[in-house]
Amino acid sequence: AQKITQTQPGMFVQEKEAVTLDCTYDTSDQSYGLFWYKQPSSGEMIFLIYQGSYDEQNATEGRYSLNFQKARKSANLVISASQLGDSAMYFCAMREGRVLGDMRFGAGTRLTVKP
Amino acid sequence: DGGITQSPKYLFRKEGQNVTLSCEQNLNHDAMYWYRQDPGQGLRLIYYSQIVNDFQKGDIAEGYSVSREKKESFPLTVTSAQKNPTAFYLCASSIRSLVAYNEQFFGPGTRLTVL
Repeated sequence: AQKITQTQPGMFVQEKEAVTLDCTYDTSDQSYGLFWYKQPSSGEMIFLIYQGSYDEQNATEGRYSLNFQKARKSANLVISASQLGDSAMYFCAMREGRVLGDMRFGAGTRLTVKP
Repeated sequence: DGGITQSPKYLFRKEGQNVTLSCEQNLNHDAMYWYRQDPGQGLRLIYYSQIVNDFQKGDIAEGYSVSREKKESFPLTVTSAQKNPTAFYLCASSIRSLVAYNEQFFGPGTRLTVL
């Protein structure tokens, strides 16, 4: 069964505006972690932000913030003040606490920032 | 600098040949992972290893083999039994922990093309 769902194959945003990338997940575990990675055209995966299932506050890292709604099982990534260099694929991932080595990735969202 | 190296960046192989992809890390991480990424898709786990001399199959292990003789190295062999090996292969490492929140650090990837 699909554990991570990213419903937006592609998104466009104007430079300097904010954009939200959607991610919903499915787990019966109480302990889990949610991650967002950025993949530029060069291919490497760059870690952006993490949210733990027990964290009460939404995670923030510079221009990145995670809108965590536990009851709805969503972990949307918000990028503020978009820059041209933000154009890339973005992947949401989840690791369930009891399963070692099992990080599940969504299909990704391709973000294009327009000048 | 600490990080993960993968070589080669591009690899071409004739159908029916085995090929080995290299992955080395100097982050002192116990856990290492191999993922496969097909165009426009997310990452799928091939194999992972939590400690030296031990490894576990992921979701798509058929046609692949690994070894973990040293902490720093986790080579992946794509055998002739893998029916569709053309893909982008990513190696990752992380701290070994039962807790969910340890992020994975990724190498730059190897793009394998079967001719």
